[in-house]
Amino acid sequence: AQSVSQHNHHVILSEAASLELGCNYSYGGTVNLFWYVQYPGQHLQLLLKYFSGDPLVKGIKGFEAEFIKSKFSFNLRKPSVQWSDTAEYFCAVNAKGSSNTGKLIFGQGTTLQVKP
Amino acid sequence: KAGVTQTPRYLIKTRGQQVTLSCSPISGHRSVSWYQQTPGQGLQFLFEYFSETQRNKGNFPGRFSGRQFSNSRSEMNVSTLELGDSALYLCASRGQLWPRRDEQYFGPGTRLTVT
Repeated sequence: AQSVSQHNHHVILSEAASLELGCNYSYGGTVNLFWYVQYPGQHLQLLLKYFSGDPLVKGIKGFEAEFIKSKFSFNLRKPSVQWSDTAEYFCAVNAKGSSNTGKLIFGQGTTLQVKP
Repeated sequence: KAGVTQTPRYLIKTRGQQVTLSCSPISGHRSVSWYQQTPGQGLQFLFEYFSETQRNKGNFPGRFSGRQFSNSRSEMNVSTLELGDSALYLCASRGQLWPRRDEQYFGPGTRLTVT
């Protein structure tokens, strides 16, 4: 069955601390990988994506993620978090270039709280 | 470009009633997907429409249905509402040109409360 697992449900960090959120997926085919962010009171926004090529991808606001195919992982990182990064983060996967591309499978989400 | 819009933003309904939610995709996008977001189950895929045809369906009962119009606007309908249908319903659209055709852009959602 297709699934996405996020290891951390709730993370609390102080400003300037480094962040790494784990994501593993199970999917029988070629996939695209995404991280979405949902700031309080706002809608889901695309943070970054991996389609192919360089497994280290950079997104908005200083976030990056690394795709490790052998580990079925796509972990999100940021060297130094800010209070404004407080949000819920979702890892997601879809099937590449198929009729299933419109179906995103999401992880359970990780709530990040950054203390000033 | 204007983003994905959803109406209404908030709804309160009673058990047994039905409800219709509307979604207008980004201009030029022909694919619309719907998701249900709850604290317990997270984000779950409901269905996708492309050019007025349902392309994919998630694991939800038949009370959940949808349609898409020729202008790509989409509606979803939930009949015989249950308390467990209380959720944030999200709509997402995507374009047709690679690589953006594999990216989905989300609307603000409709918060449905069933009492």
